[in-house]
Amino acid sequence: DAGVTQSPTHLIKTRGQQVTLRCSPKSGHDTVSWYQQALGQGPQFIFQYYEEEERQRGNFPDRFSGHQFPNYSSELNVNALLLGDSALYLCASSLYRVSDYEQYFGPGTRLTVT
Amino acid sequence: QQQVKQSPQSLIVQKGGISIINCAYENTAFDYFPWYQQFPGKGPALLIAIRPDVSEKKEGRFTISFNKSAKQFSLHIMDSQPGDSATYFCAASIQGAQKLVFGQGTRLTINP
Repeated sequence: DAGVTQSPTHLIKTRGQQVTLRCSPKSGHDTVSWYQQALGQGPQFIFQYYEEEERQRGNFPDRFSGHQFPNYSSELNVNALLLGDSALYLCASSLYRVSDYEQYFGPGTRLTVT
Repeated sequence: QQQVKQSPQSLIVQKGGISIINCAYENTAFDYFPWYQQFPGKGPALLIAIRPDVSEKKEGRFTISFNKSAKQFSLHIMDSQPGDSATYFCAASIQGAQKLVFGQGTRLTINP
């Protein structure tokens, strides 16, 4: 049973550049959520995608955008990178049903902005 | 009101001892409380979760205790082992939302 996969593993970008991170959900899951985890902190919710639409959004600026594809995989895009965007970006997958809350996380993408 | 407060920030326990991590929340709409374990360089892994209709849930050496009136819940790790050394996060979410609100994390070290 394939778990949540993310690519790339590590990424180094320069301030002002744009970045795209990718996520494939756990087999059978239809919902993808993205989280940002700064060093030494708990993950912070960015947004969630289901049926190719953004369903919920956390307190993140419009520089953060996403997409979900028909095969449920997802992308996170960040424009105009700031030094403060350096973090571990986590993708979590789940089933979009009220009774199913369990979210499974991928290994993350470590983004460093210089 | 969306905050989940976790303590302690770090914890050192001897092998075989009991590790206890506590969390408190404000939002009474929260109705799902998972605990995640995270090793360095890895994503969080779901350990155990509880809903507020029960006061305790046990899975192997891991137990969640839940106090709805106090709005607190805790993770107990019995017979702690060096392999349990990791960062533990409590979290909470609202029914149907699936948006997890995480605590700040507890770095647990089990001394052999």
